Amino acid sequence: QQQVKQSPQSLIVQKGGISIINCAYENTAFDYFPWYQQFPGKGPALLIAIRPDVSEKKEGRFTISFNKSAKQFSLHIMDSQPGDSATYFCAASPSSDYKLSFGAGTTVTVRA
Amino acid sequence: KAGVTQTPRYLIKTRGQQVTLSCSPISGHRSVSWYQQTPGQGLQFLFEYFSETQRNKGNFPGRFSGRQFSNSRSEMNVSTLELGDSALYLCASSPSGGLGKTQYFGPGTRLLVL
Repeated sequence: QQQVKQSPQSLIVQKGGISIINCAYENTAFDYFPWYQQFPGKGPALLIAIRPDVSEKKEGRFTISFNKSAKQFSLHIMDSQPGDSATYFCAASPSSDYKLSFGAGTTVTVRA
Repeated sequence: KAGVTQTPRYLIKTRGQQVTLSCSPISGHRSVSWYQQTPGQGLQFLFEYFSETQRNKGNFPGRFSGRQFSNSRSEMNVSTLELGDSALYLCASSPSGGLGKTQYFGPGTRLLVL
């Protein structure tokens, strides 16, 4: 079963808009939460990652928000650009190992 | 540094055959993980190797196996291929140690089983 639930499955945003992708998990042993970006024909590339001891992390136009009590985290893409059109995956892994559990992915389309 | 490399990039096999995929991690990385990506099941963890030892294994049948060499290069093998094994197989490497656990993915090997 999917240990990390991701929504929405797809979204369309206008250039300059904000894309928001949400993820939820149940396993309280998870302590590392990365987001990956994947373009067609390529492997996933790490975008940004967060640990439960911080509630928000920002890198450029990408921000992760983390709510430990709700066991939810989200990715915000500010000022979305056509080059951001890709599939985004949230993931989580426990402190004990390197096994990443991935969400199902969100296909983001940015319209010019 | 060069990224994770995987060979071959594309492969076509028939049912019942076996296949071996290769992964070269980023220089200095000692942990190598393998994932299967399909449209239906998404990204699923196969196994992880560190210093030539399998440390973790996902929920895949025994037909899926792997190994790691002393130079950290890794191979995965799938025996008695089934149509459902058609997928993108991704390799990821991580620096040694627990801090960060950042995994860097290669471009993948696209396997088609006919």
